[in-house]
Amino acid sequence: KAGVTQTPRYLIKTRGQQVTLSCSPISGHRSVSWYQQTPGQGLQFLFEYFSETQRNKGNFPGRFSGRQFSNSRSEMNVSTLELGDSALYLCASRRTDNYEQYFGPGTRLTVT
Amino acid sequence: GQQVMQIPQYQHVQEGEDFTTYCNSSTTLSNIQWYKQRPGGHPVFLIQLVKSGEVKKQKRLTFQFGEAKKNSSLHITATQTTDVGTYFCAGLQGGKLIFGQGTELSVKP
Repeated sequence: KAGVTQTPRYLIKTRGQQVTLSCSPISGHRSVSWYQQTPGQGLQFLFEYFSETQRNKGNFPGRFSGRQFSNSRSEMNVSTLELGDSALYLCASRRTDNYEQYFGPGTRLTVT
Repeated sequence: GQQVMQIPQYQHVQEGEDFTTYCNSSTTLSNIQWYKQRPGGHPVFLIQLVKSGEVKKQKRLTFQFGEAKKNSSLHITATQTTDVGTYFCAGLQGGKLIFGQGTELSVKP
């Protein structure tokens, strides 16, 4: 079974720009969660989507948004980028009957 | 807010020594999971504990869930260089998985 895939793997953006990251979950997994990982803050939960609906949300500003499509693929968007948004963004998928998370390789975002 | 504290932040051991990382929550957890992230990699699921007082073993790794379901530990016996990485606990609270800060393990051969 193919794992979770994320695109792009690396991204460099300028302050004020916006960015869209993509995640394809493992086949059959309908839940997709997004996390931000930084050296100082560790793994921070952004949001979780299930059946195209946001199920849970972490404590991030409204500049961070996401969506999920009918095929369970998910995107997250960050608008008006700030330097502090530089991080590894990880997507994880899971089955609906289990909270075990399968992570993708992440997208390394650098904001200059 | 919801917090899961993990200690120590770093641990340096000689190959063959034991290693333990501890995880504590201010609130009761539905379950606790453990993940390992190798340098440059992504977190990989190790195990999930659900029951109060549960103990599970995977080869040299022993995982425990406290009686009050507020704390957990991961113990590695006789570390090897392949154990290098960051170990995260993650507690399930109200449908959200809250990660600890992680313990970075380095092993000197």
